[in-house]
Formats: sequence, C-alpha cells, structure tokens
Amino acid sequence: QSALTQPASVSASPGQSITISCTGTASDVGGYNYVSWYQQHPGKAPKLMIYDVNKRPSGVSNRFSGSKSGNTASLTISGLQAEDEADYYCTSYANSDTLGVFGGGTKLTVL
Amino acid sequence: EVQLIQSGAEVKKPGESLTISCKGSGYKFTNYWISWVRQMPGKGLEWMGRIDPSDSYTNYSPSIQGHVSISADESINTAYLQWNSLKASDTALYFCARIDSGVTASNWGQGTLVTVSS
Repeated sequence: QSALTQPASVSASPGQSITISCTGTASDVGGYNYVSWYQQHPGKAPKLMIYDVNKRPSGVSNRFSGSKSGNTASLTISGLQAEDEADYYCTSYANSDTLGVFGGGTKLTVL
Repeated sequence: EVQLIQSGAEVKKPGESLTISCKGSGYKFTNYWISWVRQMPGKGLEWMGRIDPSDSYTNYSPSIQGHVSISADESINTAYLQWNSLKASDTALYFCARIDSGVTASNWGQGTLVTVSS
C-alpha cells in the first residue's frame, strides 16, 4: 500500500492560514470518511488534531479544521501561532484487514 | 486519565533480541486495540502492526511481517513489540498508540528509542 502524498513543507506568517493536502486513492482517502491528522513536535509523540475527516477532539483549538474532496483530504490551520510549528501527518483507513497508511508528513514553519 | 507508558531506551548490537513494552492505565485494556508505530531517524510515521488485547489477534504491515512480533498480556495491561534478530535498520523511535477506531489514536506512549549498532 503506497503512502499518502503530502507537501514536504509549508510556511506562513503568524495570523495567516495554511492548508495541507493529503492525496490518496479511492481505496483509502476516497473510499472512507476515516482520515486523521496528527501534529508532532520534534522528539515528541504525535497528537491527534482531526479525526473522521473533520472532527476535532476535545481540547484541540477550533483553528484546526479538516475536509475532504474525492481522494484528497485537507487540514487547514487558521490564525497561525508560533506553537503550531511542527510536522503534520495525515493517515487514512483502507480496509479492516490493513493498518491504514500515513502520508509522508509536512513540516510547517511559522515565519 | 488514560496513559500509555513505554519502556526505556535501548542500545543493542545487530543479531541481538529485544522486547519493548507499553503499559496502559486509566481504561479497560481489552477494549481497545494497541498499535505500534515506527519513526526512523529523520523520517515519517509508519504503522507497524496492531493487536487486539482481548484475544491477541494481530495485523502486521507487509514490510514488517516476519521480522517483529506483537503480543499482549491483559493480566498486566501491557503490550509488547519483540525482535529475535535486530538489524541496524531497526534503529528508530517506536511509539505505541491506543486505537479508538480505524486510524484514530488519541493516546500515545512517550516513545522508545532503539539504537542498533555494532
């Protein structure tokens, strides 16, 4: 199963908004509404930011939102803050017998 | 409070065996799958495998299958990741995660760094 495709890096200034794309296939992203997004700071455990395409766990800022169109899911972060600088990974369910697949990760730099 | 506590960092030689652990607390251990995730140096996250602690049913990534084994002991709420013969390419940071559903994991261990070097 191939990894999902994410841009390697994005950057923006504080207060701006960014969108990170995550492209898969009809067998994963396009076939199920089970896309999650994780934030990871260097050397730390991943943190769940979005699940089931567009749901936010309790405690996650409403500046984070998710969406999906066809085989591409997206994570949007509005009102960028310095602490948002991190790596972001998407992952999608594929089927009940597989583990799912991660994207390659996107490094977000807040200028 | 749900917690996953992993065992400490390990330094091993190629060919040696190793087991690392992940102890869950604050929830009913058998109600949730545990997944192991690998992060090689400077690289991204990779699902390695998962276990249903209620019956020890496991799934493995095709790229990992046969090289590691995942097990669990529900009596002590602990999942394990085991290698019989380590390779230098096993050098990585390993995380365990409690799977809420599908690819949703809201609780993660702190990570175990495994270094394999001669």
